[in-house]
Amino acid sequence: KQEVTQIPAALSVPEGENLVLNCSFTDSAIYNLQWFRQDPGKGLTSLLLIQSSQREQTSGRLNASLDKSSGRSTLYIAASQPGDSATYLCAVRKPSGQGNLIFGKGTKLSVKP
Amino acid sequence: GAGVSQSPSNKVTEKGKDVELRCDPISGHTALYWYRQSLGQGLEFLIYFQGNSAPDKSGLPSDRFSAERTGGSVSTLTIQRTQQEDSAVYLCASSAGGGYTFGSGTRLTVV
Repeated sequence: KQEVTQIPAALSVPEGENLVLNCSFTDSAIYNLQWFRQDPGKGLTSLLLIQSSQREQTSGRLNASLDKSSGRSTLYIAASQPGDSATYLCAVRKPSGQGNLIFGKGTKLSVKP
Repeated sequence: GAGVSQSPSNKVTEKGKDVELRCDPISGHTALYWYRQSLGQGLEFLIYFQGNSAPDKSGLPSDRFSAERTGGSVSTLTIQRTQQEDSAVYLCASSAGGGYTFGSGTRLTVV
């Protein structure tokens, strides 16, 4: 059974710091991995999608890496800003490309001005 | 529409009443998913529709929960005889085979 773990559960950093959020999954047979952001009381916003054949994806100050063989992904946020404060969720999809995403419990990030 | 639309955004209901939650996916997305997020918990998969295939109902917590998808588009999640433990945010997502796009959710409060 696929399980997704995110560490740390919460993180507080001063504005301007670079930071890394970690995601691990127990079954390396995945179709893709997706990072989301969730603001309080809101739905999920997709940040980055990495296909199983890819090693990383970048969007602005965000960079996500995928090491499928070791069951790990990282989300790197450069030059953090208070507006980055949110919960970040990692999710993996089954190898068939169908079926539900399996989510981690998230990392709650707080960036202090 | 441009995104996944869910209605209502908030619903307060009395224990024992039935509720219906609606999801309007992105046009052309063949896959539609329902998830539940309880306070302080992760996202819990409920049900998945893919095209004309039979839905994957493996995540539904009890037979009080059901969902349908009409015409391969709009979906309705129905909760019968609501209980206080049903209070949560219900999120809908759709996909065309790549990433998922989520709606803003329906916050259900059972009093």
